[in-house]
Amino acid sequence: AQTVTQSQPEMSVQEAETVTLSCTYDTSESDYYLFWYKQPPSRQMILVIRQEAYKQQNATENRFSVNFQKAAKSFSLKISDSQLGDAAMYFCAYEHEYGNKLVFGAGTILRVKS
Amino acid sequence: KAGVTQTPRYLIKTRGQQVTLSCSPISGHRSVSWYQQTPGQGLQFLFEYFSETQRNKGNFPGRFSGRQFSNSRSEMNVSTLELGDSALYLCASSAGTGLVETQYFGPGTRLLVL
Repeated sequence: AQTVTQSQPEMSVQEAETVTLSCTYDTSESDYYLFWYKQPPSRQMILVIRQEAYKQQNATENRFSVNFQKAAKSFSLKISDSQLGDAAMYFCAYEHEYGNKLVFGAGTILRVKS
Repeated sequence: KAGVTQTPRYLIKTRGQQVTLSCSPISGHRSVSWYQQTPGQGLQFLFEYFSETQRNKGNFPGRFSGRQFSNSRSEMNVSTLELGDSALYLCASSAGTGLVETQYFGPGTRLLVL
């Protein structure tokens, strides 16, 4: 079974600085997708970024980028120029092709200090 | 387009009762997935429906069931409620075209079992 591990229960970052959230996963599949979701206190899950495993190029979305290392099964999220609105729980998630079944990590609470 | 909606947002039940939660997907989306979020177990996949058929299922007891209607709206039912069923129940919708797709989440239904 696939597993997703987020080893950082909590992280803090100063406003305007950069922070990296870690995620590793375990799978025997070669085709899969990885996601980062953000869950603010409202509990609404919001997609931050997605990465297809067959793509070598790392995904970026404005201030958010990933470092995808397929051989190491690592998928970290970098947030640049952190803003107060980035404070939330961040979940790393895995989905196998033909899935629609997300496997989530335990989450990392990100606190942003002003 | 309107997002995924879930009703009710909050629910209090007692042990042994049953409960039905509702999810309306984004217009045009045909796949609806359900997840349970608890502090202890994190986010866990319950099941996924597409074209009124359960297409994928997680490891939950038979007390958890669901269905999908012809308009893609989905309901989830939990019978004989237990204290451990207290959780945030999230539904997510996607287009359902077959390959892995981004899932868009609703705001969740918070269930408290007393």
